[in-house]
Amino acid sequence: AQSVTQLGSHVSVSEGALVLLRCNYSSSVPPYLFWYVQYPNQGLQLLLKYTSAATLVKGINGFEAEFKKSETSFHLTKPSAHMSDAAEYFCAVSDMNRDDKIIFGKGTRLHILP
Amino acid sequence: KAGVTQTPRYLIKTRGQQVTLSCSPISGHRSVSWYQQTPGQGLQFLFEYFSETQRNKGNFPGRFSGRQFSNSRSEMNVSTLELGDSALYLCASSLERGPDTQYFGPGTRLTVL
Repeated sequence: AQSVTQLGSHVSVSEGALVLLRCNYSSSVPPYLFWYVQYPNQGLQLLLKYTSAATLVKGINGFEAEFKKSETSFHLTKPSAHMSDAAEYFCAVSDMNRDDKIIFGKGTRLHILP
Repeated sequence: KAGVTQTPRYLIKTRGQQVTLSCSPISGHRSVSWYQQTPGQGLQFLFEYFSETQRNKGNFPGRFSGRQFSNSRSEMNVSTLELGDSALYLCASSLERGPDTQYFGPGTRLTVL
């Protein structure tokens, strides 16, 4: 069975500082990994996804994530935080089997301090 | 291309009632998944429909059901509502099944009194 753990339900960073949101996964087969963002009163929007190609994945809004198999991690980073990045971020995992569903982490709320 | 639409956006019901939520996927998308989002449990998978057939189901009681029509539009129904059913219900569509990118609608906020 697959699972996702996001460390820290709330993370605060200063505007202009590095953003690091942690995600560890568990999967018995090579996974597909996703990061989604949710702004207040909206649905989820895909930031980036890993599908077994390059281990460093670049997404929208300057975010990127690195797949590290040895650490079973897929942490999300952005070099310089912007006020508009304040939102909730979800890491998700699925395997390559079309019968499997996507499992989401519990989310990390990112706060940007002026 | 229009995104995923969900109606209604907000609903208030009382315990014991039933409710039907609707989801229209992106044109051409054949897979529709439903999720329940609550502060305590996060995002929980309800079910997935593809080609009018339920392909996958989460761990929810039988009070939660759904269906998909030939135009890929989907509805979910919750009968005998309980206070704990208050949540944001999200619908997501994708071209095909499996780990394809899912596109989410804005959700329906259900409040059960």
